[in-house]
Amino acid sequence: ILNVEQSPQSLHVQEGDSTNFTCSFPSSNFYALHWYRWETAKSPEALFVMTLNGDEKKKGRISATLNTKEGYSYLYIKGSQPEDSATYLCAFCPGGKLIFGQGTELSVKP
Amino acid sequence: GAGVSQSPSNKVTEKGKDVELRCDPISGHTALYWYRQSLGQGLEFLIYFQGNSAPDKSGLPSDRFSAERTGGSVSTLTIQRTQQEDSAVYLCASSLSSGGARRDTQYFGPGTRLTVL
Repeated sequence: ILNVEQSPQSLHVQEGDSTNFTCSFPSSNFYALHWYRWETAKSPEALFVMTLNGDEKKKGRISATLNTKEGYSYLYIKGSQPEDSATYLCAFCPGGKLIFGQGTELSVKP
Repeated sequence: GAGVSQSPSNKVTEKGKDVELRCDPISGHTALYWYRQSLGQGLEFLIYFQGNSAPDKSGLPSDRFSAERTGGSVSTLTIQRTQQEDSAVYLCASSLSSGGARRDTQYFGPGTRLTVL
């Protein structure tokens, strides 16, 4: 059974704080790791697709790193804003289908 | 261009009735996926279609669930004899390709919220 774990389950921060979440996935037979942001009442929005060990990707204030040998990825948000409030999902892709973690629910207070 | 669309956005049905959920993928996308999120659970894979290949049905929870994709485009997910545990948000996604192209981004629709009374 392929298991994807995310921590923490939820996070409450103040506007301007920087924060990070963790995603753990099976390190064997790695193909790709996806990060999504899911805001309430909207579609999940793709952030990154990561494939190479040591990869680091950035989109505005959000960045992610990947360690395929030990099976984890970090997502960082620099200077959180209220509009960053959402559930952040990572998903392991062994082939076609995505296997999602439970997500980290981020709440940013002004 | 147009994104993935799903209909209906909300569906309330009685236990035992059949329901059909529709997904229109992004034009030109050959891969189509169905997922669902039950209350308190993560997103769960149900089924995916890739071109003319046999679909991967490994995530369907029971034989009451079926899906088809007509003409390589629109897909319908059918749930027969609905049960209360089928209540969930059903999401559809599409991507340019699948299989060997695991790096492809999957683009999600807005979902159908199904409530079984």
